[in-house]
Amino acid sequence: GAGVSQSPSNKVTEKGKDVELRCDPISGHTALYWYRQRLGQGLEFLIYFQGNSAPDKSGLPSDRFSAERTGESVSTLTIQRTQQEDSAVYLCASSLSAAWSAGELFFGEGSRLTVL
Amino acid sequence: TQLLEQSPQFLSIQEGENLTVYCNSSSVFSSLQWYRQEPGEGPVLLVTVVTGGEVKKLKRLTFQFGDARKDSSLHITAAQPGDTGLYLCAGVQSYNTDKLIFGTGTRLQVFP
Repeated sequence: GAGVSQSPSNKVTEKGKDVELRCDPISGHTALYWYRQRLGQGLEFLIYFQGNSAPDKSGLPSDRFSAERTGESVSTLTIQRTQQEDSAVYLCASSLSAAWSAGELFFGEGSRLTVL
Repeated sequence: TQLLEQSPQFLSIQEGENLTVYCNSSSVFSSLQWYRQEPGEGPVLLVTVVTGGEVKKLKRLTFQFGDARKDSSLHITAAQPGDTGLYLCAGVQSYNTDKLIFGTGTRLQVFP
């Protein structure tokens, strides 16, 4: 389809394992965002990309979290040595124009991560 | 520290009632957006406001941006069960960043 695609949709892992979450943005969208949403709560900003650069990584919770984007397209969020508190839905969004110009974010359906 | 606080956190009402959701901050925002999220899906944009004092209407929904661009409200007239969902405000603090932060969310349940 033409929307934002995220994979896997569900991931169950054991504490201490590494996980990779993938986001395929809408073609041509230069901005890409990652958010974390705990059950019943709002969205917690993690990181955003303009092209392949990440001007603001301030939302990453710890050095176990990293993200990259290549070809101004696909992005991967990696969580190393997962902990139970990492359990959440990880949402990716893309935008055609910059957020400061009030560009609309288009979200994927999220990757639900459960750490046992 | 949560820059955008929403109230109420939960709202449960009967069909036909009116309601207002508030989004408040001590910081100035260059623009503010409202999104609605349904279970198992990502948030979907409802409206964007960019000018202090601006009012926008979307059918039964009325959105207002505060004069000082620090707060916003969402008013729903004659709520319907289809309005049920998580309402989120989101804003950008300045013109030299693309960091879009979201509010704490208001969960609305409208009963028939």
